Amino acid sequence: NAGVTQTPKFQVLKTGQSMTLQCAQDMNHEYMSWYRQDPGMGLRLIHYSVGAGITDQGEVPNGYNVSRSTTEDFPLRLLSAAPSQTSVYFCASSEGQDKRYTFGSGTRLTVV
Amino acid sequence: GESVGLHLPTLSVQEGDNSIINCAYSNSASDYFIWYKQESGKGPQFIIDIRSNMDKRQGQRVTVLLNKTVKHLSLQIAATQPGDSAVYFCAETLGSARQLTFGSGTQLTVLP
Repeated sequence: NAGVTQTPKFQVLKTGQSMTLQCAQDMNHEYMSWYRQDPGMGLRLIHYSVGAGITDQGEVPNGYNVSRSTTEDFPLRLLSAAPSQTSVYFCASSEGQDKRYTFGSGTRLTVV
Repeated sequence: GESVGLHLPTLSVQEGDNSIINCAYSNSASDYFIWYKQESGKGPQFIIDIRSNMDKRQGQRVTVLLNKTVKHLSLQIAATQPGDSAVYFCAETLGSARQLTFGSGTQLTVLP
């Protein structure tokens, strides 16, 4: 049981490049979400999904796209990276109405 | 907008002493609160939660207190150990919402 797996762990992008941050969970959790963590600002919600085929925006969705084609996977896409997207990204999941998230270990992204 | 915040960004305690980490919330309608611990380079990990119909909840070496009158939440760690050194986040939500709103975190350092 691996929990929530995020790849890659580290990534450096040039401004304007695109990439996908991967998130997979093997706990059959319905709810999945993406947060970004910036110094002194805690965790801010980017996008979330309550089940396969259903996604919605969080607090800071601009510049990011998501899809949820399966229960297990919830990738986060950056279409045109900007320096303001330099951050640590966390994926989290939970079961049913349980709000006790299980977090992945994060992806540290630097946009130069 | 409503937000969750912390009184102190850093806290240093002697090993063996008790630690108290505070959190203020501004949304009086919030009815569920949760504490996470984040060690360096890792994702947040669930510690303890509490619903608004409770004033206190105890776990193993941790206690969460909720004062709805002044909209204040605290996390008490008994006999603090070096392994407790981490950033601690409080988070809130209300009703059936699955999304959590996180505070900015408190860095706890345990001194030998």
